Amino acid sequence: DAGVIQSPRHEVTEMGQEVTLRCKPISGHNSLFWYRQTMMRGLELLIYFNNNVPIDDSGMPEDRFSAKMPNASFSTLKIQPSEPRDSAVYFCASSLEGLRPHEQYFGPGTRLTVT
Amino acid sequence: RKEVEQDPGPFNVPEGATVAFNCTYSNSASQSFFWYRQDCRKEPKLLMSVYSSGNEDGRFTAQLNRASQYISLLIRDSKLSDSATYLCVVDRSPGNNRKLIWGLGTSLAVNP
Repeated sequence: DAGVIQSPRHEVTEMGQEVTLRCKPISGHNSLFWYRQTMMRGLELLIYFNNNVPIDDSGMPEDRFSAKMPNASFSTLKIQPSEPRDSAVYFCASSLEGLRPHEQYFGPGTRLTVT
Repeated sequence: RKEVEQDPGPFNVPEGATVAFNCTYSNSASQSFFWYRQDCRKEPKLLMSVYSSGNEDGRFTAQLNRASQYISLLIRDSKLSDSATYLCVVDRSPGNNRKLIWGLGTSLAVNP
């Protein structure tokens, strides 16, 4: 049974480059979350989709960050241009609203390093 | 002040010990409370929800004190496999929005 799938698992890029992170949620789940985790700030919600519609993007740091969910089985988080302070682990999570909405299933994360 | 605060630890305990973590939250409008577990370099996973009356799941007991705005997690008879970071999570979702606020975590190391 496939869980949340994220790619790539690791990304090393130079400052100024565009970075695209990908996520495939668990089939049947209707909510998708993008998080960023750092030692200093912990887990921070960046954006939350419900039924492919962005509901809360207040956590998106700035215009350099954008996220899309073109269909129920795919989402992207894009950073353009990337900066060293964007270095973090980015997690995608999905859940099934209406059943156990707080049980978020996380993907393995993408470890991003911007040099 | 952070909205959800935890003692970062690390807590180093021997196998079989009982250990307790506390977590405080600042927003009295918070609705629901959870403990997640995160192993080193892995993703977080839901450990248990925290109910007002307190709840138990095997060796794990969670308590909520709304008046004092804190949540606790007690682990009895700790195992080596309990070594992980325990994340306190608070849901202050307004309406149908889903807004979980995460603590920075408490690190537990269970030693043989």
